[in-house]
Amino acid sequence: GQQLNQSPQSMFIQEGEDVSMNCTSSSIFNTWLWYKQDPGEGPVLLIALYKAGELTSNGRLTAQFGITRKDSFLNISASIPSDVGIYFCAGQLEGANDMRFGAGTRLTVKP
Amino acid sequence: EAQVTQNPRYLITVTGKKLTVTCSQNMNHEYMSWYRQDPGLGLRQIYYSMNVEVTDKGDVPEGYKVSRKEKRNFPLILESPSPNQTSLYFCASSLFPSSYEQYFGPGTRLTVT
Repeated sequence: GQQLNQSPQSMFIQEGEDVSMNCTSSSIFNTWLWYKQDPGEGPVLLIALYKAGELTSNGRLTAQFGITRKDSFLNISASIPSDVGIYFCAGQLEGANDMRFGAGTRLTVKP
Repeated sequence: EAQVTQNPRYLITVTGKKLTVTCSQNMNHEYMSWYRQDPGLGLRQIYYSMNVEVTDKGDVPEGYKVSRKEKRNFPLILESPSPNQTSLYFCASSLFPSSYEQYFGPGTRLTVT
């Protein structure tokens, strides 16, 4: 079953604001990934993290692999209207080959 | 253009009528997988394949079958669809099994009445 707890479920913010979302688990993960899904499309990879403590940026996006290997966060700075969508965390459990996804964070940005 | 394609994009069917959703990738990826997406549950992995003729169950395999006879294709088969299989389905692929940077197809919206 679902082993990733993603929060918040939804966010309504003003353009220009910063955004933070996170995923936690009681299990250890080897890999953390963050995806964005636009309406009517498949998820697109934003950032991939492979080592505990790793901090990676992709433009205005920054994500970190938690030191305990049980959590990860994604920050978006200075949000813009095209940031609207659903953001998913995903991870590969230690000792497993399958991928687990969080339930998603739906982001709405008001101009 | 490098891509993952799925067909059909939309399908409405009736309970018990066998159907197949095709998935094809042109990137020579070894790893392919199927997910279903339901509101509030995110994406759940149905089956995955590490390479040709190698398939494994994901998180929610019940009611589904897959096959991997060729590297580029990974069809999802519903032998006897039921209404609880109404969902949005995504196929994804990645270069190697250990590379978890998956590329997703556009999705197939299935309704079973």
